[in-house]
Order: sequence, then structure tokens, then C-alpha cells
Amino acid sequence: QKEVEQDPGPLSVPEGAIVSLNCTYSNSAFQYFMWYRQYSRKGPELLMYTYSSGNKEDGRFTAQVDKSSKYISLFIRDSQPSDSATYLCAMSARTGNQFYFGTGTSLTVIP
Amino acid sequence: GAVVSQHPSRVICKSGTSVKIECRSLDFQATTMFWYRQFPKQSLMLMATSNEGSKATYEQGVEKDKFLINHASLTLSTLTVTSAHPEDSSFYICSARTTIEKLFFGSGTQLSVL
Repeated sequence: QKEVEQDPGPLSVPEGAIVSLNCTYSNSAFQYFMWYRQYSRKGPELLMYTYSSGNKEDGRFTAQVDKSSKYISLFIRDSQPSDSATYLCAMSARTGNQFYFGTGTSLTVIP
Repeated sequence: GAVVSQHPSRVICKSGTSVKIECRSLDFQATTMFWYRQFPKQSLMLMATSNEGSKATYEQGVEKDKFLINHASLTLSTLTVTSAHPEDSSFYICSARTTIEKLFFGSGTQLSVL
């Protein structure tokens, strides 16, 4: 079983829709959770960072962590064509450990 | 957010030459830096983990003599692809970890070996 599972999509939504992206994981020791956005031929850009459980909101983006279910989500409200990209989830257990990535979900927002 | 600078963004070289890619954390000291390779429409593939002042740790299957990593300071790591061949053509990305477990990426380097 992979450490982190992420539906690769592709996901296609109309402009203005709410997008839900998800990852599941198997290691209960994970404490640090991140979401990245990656445009083609660019490095991933950190969107959201969460330590332990709970929700975090930043503009149109909301990250949720449910450690009891080993499940994290990223919600994008009022999606825009500029949100079209690949979204990666990432997590780590504690300081000094490596990071584990999902395979990425390809999102297209149609004008 | 923190900035990780990666240069060059694109390099084209002849087969047999060596190419150096630089990765700098501009506004923080990175406890660890990572190097990845990414093929089109695929996820990141970790190549090696680099800690300042110590030898890099390479992932299984990555040739350490081909992909030389030097982590000279808390803000600079370099990846040298030695005697590059066409099969080394790929997108290479570095990342740097902060003290609170945030990971920031460079913009990537597209290597094309002719």
C-alpha cells in the first residue's frame, strides 16, 4: 500500500464551481500536511500548510485534515481558469523525516 | 512565502558534458534540501536528500557518481549531472525544508541532452 493515495483525475469543472481535492494516507504518524499547485514545467507552489488536525482557510482555499480518518482535503471556491494546474498533497511525520507526496490531481477549470 | 531560487531554468547540452544546477534558499536557512526528477505528466521522483556539511543520501536506483550533490552551506545545494546522456533529459526540481517542516520548491530546470 502506498503511503499517500491521491486520485489523479483528470478533473474538469466549469468556472465558479467548488472544487474538492482529496488524499488519504496510511501512516498515523503524519503531522504536517501541505497542498501544492504545479503548473506545467514549473516547480510546485505551496498553497496550504497545516500542522495536525483541523481546518485552515486562505482566500478561496480551505484545507481540512481529519487524522482519525487519515484523510485530507483541499477546497477551492469560485474556481477560476487560472486554477487549472496539477495539485499535489504532501505530508511528513516529524522533523527530519522525508516528505511523502500524492501523485497529483490534474484540474481544468473551463471558462 | 519563502523563496527557493533554482538556476538555470533550461539547459541544452551535448552528450558527454557535465551540467551543474544550483538551488538556493534566499530568505531562510534550509535544514535539508531535496532533489527530484519529474517526467511529463508524472509525479515527483525523489533522487536524493542533502544535508549541509554531510554526504547526500541517494534513493535506490539513483547513481551517485552520475548525479553529484554538494550542499556547501545552509542556503546552497548543487546537483551536477556528469557525462550527461540523452536519457538524463528530464525536469529537475529542488526543494528546501524550513525548521517548521514547510517545504518550498525551486522553479525547476529542464535539461535536454543532445
